[in-house]
Amino acid sequence: DGGITQSPKYLFRKEGQNVTLSCEQNLNHDAMYWYRQDPGQGLRLIYYSQIVNDFQKGDIAEGYSVSREKKESFPLTVTSAQKNPTAFYLCASSGDIFGNTIYFGEGSWLTVV
Amino acid sequence: ILNVEQSPQSLHVQEGDSTNFTCSFPSSNFYALHWYRWETAKSPEALFVMTLNGDEKKKGRISATLNTKEGYSYLYIKGSQPEDSATYLCAFRNSGYALNFGKGTSLLVTP
Repeated sequence: DGGITQSPKYLFRKEGQNVTLSCEQNLNHDAMYWYRQDPGQGLRLIYYSQIVNDFQKGDIAEGYSVSREKKESFPLTVTSAQKNPTAFYLCASSGDIFGNTIYFGEGSWLTVV
Repeated sequence: ILNVEQSPQSLHVQEGDSTNFTCSFPSSNFYALHWYRWETAKSPEALFVMTLNGDEKKKGRISATLNTKEGYSYLYIKGSQPEDSATYLCAFRNSGYALNFGKGTSLLVTP
C-alpha cells in the first residue's frame, strides 16, 4: 500500500538526549514536511523539503534538524537544544510544494522526562 | 505564522442533524484553502483543496464553500452520522510554501 510510515509511534527519552524520528514515503512525492502539535494548538511547521538534498526551516525550527538524502526519507532529529520537545510529531508529503493535497503519516508521540 | 481561526472549537450533534463549521483566514495573498478530517488514532485525511473565490466542493454528505475576499470558508455536513465524528482541520496557504493550520473543530455525533 502507498503511504507514509512514521516510526516509532511512541518514544520516551531522557532530557539532554538527541532523538531521531523516522519518516518514509512510497508515494514518489517530491515534497516532505514535519509538523508538531501541542495540546490546544494547531499544527506548526518545523521543516520542509522541496526536493532531495534541499530543506528549509519552518516556523519553529529551533532545536531540530533534518536531512533529505533520499526522496523517500525525511528523518527529524530532536536535539537537546529543543527546550520543550514533548509533543506529537506528524510527517507529511505532497506531489510538490505548490499547494497539492498533503498526505500525512499517523504521527509519533515523543515524551522527554 | 498566519492566523487561522476555526469555530466552534467543539460540537456535539445527534445522528441525522446537519451541521457546519467556519474557518477564517487572512484575505490577502490567498493561494489555497485545505480541509482535512482527522479521526482519532488515524492520519489526517484530505477532504478538499480550494483555490478560487466562490468555489464549492462536495464529497458525499460533506461540502465546503470558499470566500477569499472576506477570508472565510464553511464546511457543511448533511445528515451527520457517528462515523463523521472527528476533528476537522482547515489550513490556509498564501504565496509562501507553508500551510498554516487552525486548531480544528472537534465533532461528536451520537446515535
